[in-house]
Amino acid sequence: GAVVSQHPSRVICKSGTSVKIECRSLDFQATTMFWYRQFPKQSLMLMATSNEGSKATYEQGVEKDKFLINHASLTLSTLTVTSAHPEDSSFYICSARDLLAGTDTQYFGPGTRLTVL
Amino acid sequence: QKEVEQDPGPLSVPEGAIVSLNCTYSNSAFQYFMWYRQYSRKGPELLMYTYSSGNKEDGRFTAQVDKSSKYISLFIRDSQPSDSATYLCAMSAMTTDSWGKLQFGAGTQVVVTP
Repeated sequence: GAVVSQHPSRVICKSGTSVKIECRSLDFQATTMFWYRQFPKQSLMLMATSNEGSKATYEQGVEKDKFLINHASLTLSTLTVTSAHPEDSSFYICSARDLLAGTDTQYFGPGTRLTVL
Repeated sequence: QKEVEQDPGPLSVPEGAIVSLNCTYSNSAFQYFMWYRQYSRKGPELLMYTYSSGNKEDGRFTAQVDKSSKYISLFIRDSQPSDSATYLCAMSAMTTDSWGKLQFGAGTQVVVTP
């Protein structure tokens, strides 16, 4: 089946630093990847849609200068949390669409837990 | 009103029982319906995918879609303690604005007790 990886799985950083999270589709090409944020005991909140070779589309209320997204290849998208603050602490999850599957299915990565001190 | 409604639970069942989960939705443009399972501190795992009204079976899982009632269900037969997780329904519409975006339910926490 389709596999999506994320790195790192967990990161702790000091306030003011930037953190980069990688999302890779391991066995399929993904022209579209999505970035979500999830708070404890809550559902997934879509942050942005990442399209290979073009600018990401951000959901309302998500600061694009705060959460930088780059989708440079068909298998890799990155999310950089710039100047992180404690309120950015959360579980970040990416997903990828398998274009050749012919369905509208998204496969999710294992998530990255970010803790900002 | 949320586009997708799902009871957050928790839903506690004894081992071997049938787990019954459901979601209702208000957007008639939704065409694709999915169920994901999420263990604590992990990413969601796709369980079932369907795009038409009716039943779809895969092992112990049965997904049911009733587009006329805007209602989807997931049944888990012979439940096991390892089925204890949060189950999320998700759906999408193939419109220009929402292409590829999933709308999630709140997720139902299921606990299967030995």
